[in-house]
Amino acid sequence: QVRLVQSGAQVKKPGASVKVSCKASGYRFTDSGMSWVRQAPGQGLEWMGWISAHNGNTYYGQKLQGRLSMTTDTSTDTAYLELKSLRPDDTAVYYCTRDEDFGDHILPFQFWGQGTLVTVSS
Amino acid sequence: QSALTQPASVSGSPGQSITISCTGTSSDVGSFNLVSWYQQYPGQAPKLIIYEVTKRPSGVSHRFSASKSDNTASLTISGLQAQDEADYFCCAYAGRSTYVFGTGTTVTVL
Repeated sequence: QVRLVQSGAQVKKPGASVKVSCKASGYRFTDSGMSWVRQAPGQGLEWMGWISAHNGNTYYGQKLQGRLSMTTDTSTDTAYLELKSLRPDDTAVYYCTRDEDFGDHILPFQFWGQGTLVTVSS
Repeated sequence: QSALTQPASVSGSPGQSITISCTGTSSDVGSFNLVSWYQQYPGQAPKLIIYEVTKRPSGVSHRFSASKSDNTASLTISGLQAQDEADYFCCAYAGRSTYVFGTGTTVTVL
C-alpha cells in the first residue's frame, strides 16, 4: 500500500532554512508527483506547490515563490521540501501528499504523510 | 491566491443535516469542476471525502454529499453523527497546476 513517511520535527531560528523529507513506498515513485501542504497551528491548509517525480518540474504557490524549493531523489524514492529565510509565521505542520491516479479520473491529495512540525523561534 | 471562504463553524444535533459553504472566485471554484473536500480530526492528516465536486471515494459514507453553483461549492452531511465532529476543508483547482484550500470549518455535534 502507498506510504509516505516524513522526517521528524525541527526547531529553527528566524532566517535559517529547513529541509523536510518524505519517503514514498508502495508505488512507482516516478509515475507520480508530490504536493506539499502546510498548516499553521489552529489554522487552515495551505497548498505550497507540486513537483513531478518523473522530470522534476515544479509549480509553486505565489506566496512562497523565491523561498521554496522542492526536489526529489529517485534513487531513494524521496521528495524534499526546503524553505529558506524562515519567519515565525512559517511555524506549521508540513505535509507531503500525493494524488491517486486512475487514468480516467484523479483523487486529489488521497495519500498523506504523517506531517512534520517545523517551529521557527528565536 | 486568496483562500476560499468557509464559515468558521457549523453545528447540528445528531440526525440533522448541515451544509458547509465554500466560496471562491471565477478563477478557481467557478472555472473548473475540480472541487474536493477533506475531513480532518485533531492531530491527524486530512482525509479526502469528495472529489470532482460531487464524487465520493470508495469507502466514504453516503451521508456526505456535495454540489457547486457558480463560485460556491457546498458540502452536506446528512444524519449527523458524533463521529462527524471534525474540521472540514474545501479545495479547488485554480489553474496552471495550482490549488487553493478553504479557510476550514469546524463541525460540532450538539
